[in-house]
Amino acid sequence: QKEVEQNSGPLSVPEGAIASLNCTYSDRVSQSFFWYRQYSGKSPELIMSIYSNGDKEDGRFTAQLNKASQYVSLLIRDSQPSDSATYLCAVNTNAGKSTFGDGTTLTVKP
Amino acid sequence: EAGVTQFPSHSVIEKGQTVTLRCDPISGHDNLYWYRRVMGKEIKFLLHFVKESKQDESGMPNNRFLAERTGGTYSTLKVQPAELEDSGVYFCASSQEGGSPYYEQYFGPGTRLTVT
Repeated sequence: QKEVEQNSGPLSVPEGAIASLNCTYSDRVSQSFFWYRQYSGKSPELIMSIYSNGDKEDGRFTAQLNKASQYVSLLIRDSQPSDSATYLCAVNTNAGKSTFGDGTTLTVKP
Repeated sequence: EAGVTQFPSHSVIEKGQTVTLRCDPISGHDNLYWYRRVMGKEIKFLLHFVKESKQDESGMPNNRFLAERTGGTYSTLKVQPAELEDSGVYFCASSQEGGSPYYEQYFGPGTRLTVT
């Protein structure tokens, strides 16, 4: 079992729809959770961080965390073609390293 | 404020040669991380510096890899001798002072290493 697993892609949604990206993690002592967006050939760009159970909203993005279920998700409302990218879930357990999932590729079709 | 920078952006070397990658973190960031993504795999942690000290080097694949951070500023990652399986994209990231899992890490553009 991988330490961080993301829903297999690719994911395709029409423009204006809600895109839902999911991530589960295996280490119960994980403390912080991050979503990165990575365009092809570019570096990961941090878009959301979440540390406590519940929802965190930032513009069109909402991160949801459920530590009991070891589950974190990212919702993108009103999806735009510019949101087309690979989304990476990362989990931190200690002060250092992030453990990444494989990523989910999202395509938003005009 | 300048972001994390890495040099070179792309390096092509032959098996057995040596390559040195450089990372300049965001000014004032004590934490510096190296990650690697090989083709088809997820981004994997290599090591973590706090200032000039190696905090965690559990991800370093073998002793052909040597990382340094002299003076707690920029860092270098040397691969000697390079093998074919070392090909991939090497990312550097930095986060602010202190040892906390809550600090957000900011990534550099990466160095694409190709070993032929």
